[in-house]
Amino acid sequence: GAVVSQHPSRVICKSGTSVKIECRSLDFQATTMFWYRQFPKKSLMLMATSNEGSKATYEQGVEKDKFLINHASLTLSTLTVTSAHPEDSSFYICSARDFDKPGSYEQYFGPGTRLTVT
Amino acid sequence: AQSVTQLDSQVPVFEEAPVELRCNYSSSVSVYLFWYVQYPNQGLQLLLKYLSGSTLVKGINGFEAEFNKSQTSFHLRKPSVHISDTAEYFCAVEFTGGGNKLTFGTGTQLKVEL
Repeated sequence: GAVVSQHPSRVICKSGTSVKIECRSLDFQATTMFWYRQFPKKSLMLMATSNEGSKATYEQGVEKDKFLINHASLTLSTLTVTSAHPEDSSFYICSARDFDKPGSYEQYFGPGTRLTVT
Repeated sequence: AQSVTQLDSQVPVFEEAPVELRCNYSSSVSVYLFWYVQYPNQGLQLLLKYLSGSTLVKGINGFEAEFNKSQTSFHLRKPSVHISDTAEYFCAVEFTGGGNKLTFGTGTQLKVEL
């Protein structure tokens, strides 16, 4: 099956610094990837849709200047949390769809990245 | 308005007992329906999906779900649960014309006890 990886799995950073999270589709090309944020014991909140070669589409209320998304290749999307603060601490999950797989409609999820800002 | 509702935040059940996790949605357009499972500190794994055709869908780990269009529901069932089924379960809906985005329910914590 299709595999999506994320790196790092855990990261601790100091307030004010920036953190980059990578999302890779390992065995398929993903023209579109999605970034979610999950608070403890809460559901997944879609932050943005990452499109290869173009600007990301952010959901309402998500600060695009704070959460920078780059999708420079068909297998890699990155999320950079800029000037991180403790309230940015969360579990960030990415997903990707394999549009070359007809009729799939399935999103493949990465294992998530636990961000803790101290 | 388009929404997904999982009314049960927690469902305790004894091992080998049957379980049903409920999911309802609201939509004026056609939908694709999914159930995902999440184990602690992990990503989501697809259990099953309904795209079209037979309304009874079978998935992995012995789970199944039935799409009921008139009741706008997609409840997840398993006839006999195991301790290893303890996890968070999410219902997700892709609304046609929504840019391939998934809308998730709030999740149901299934706790299987001995």
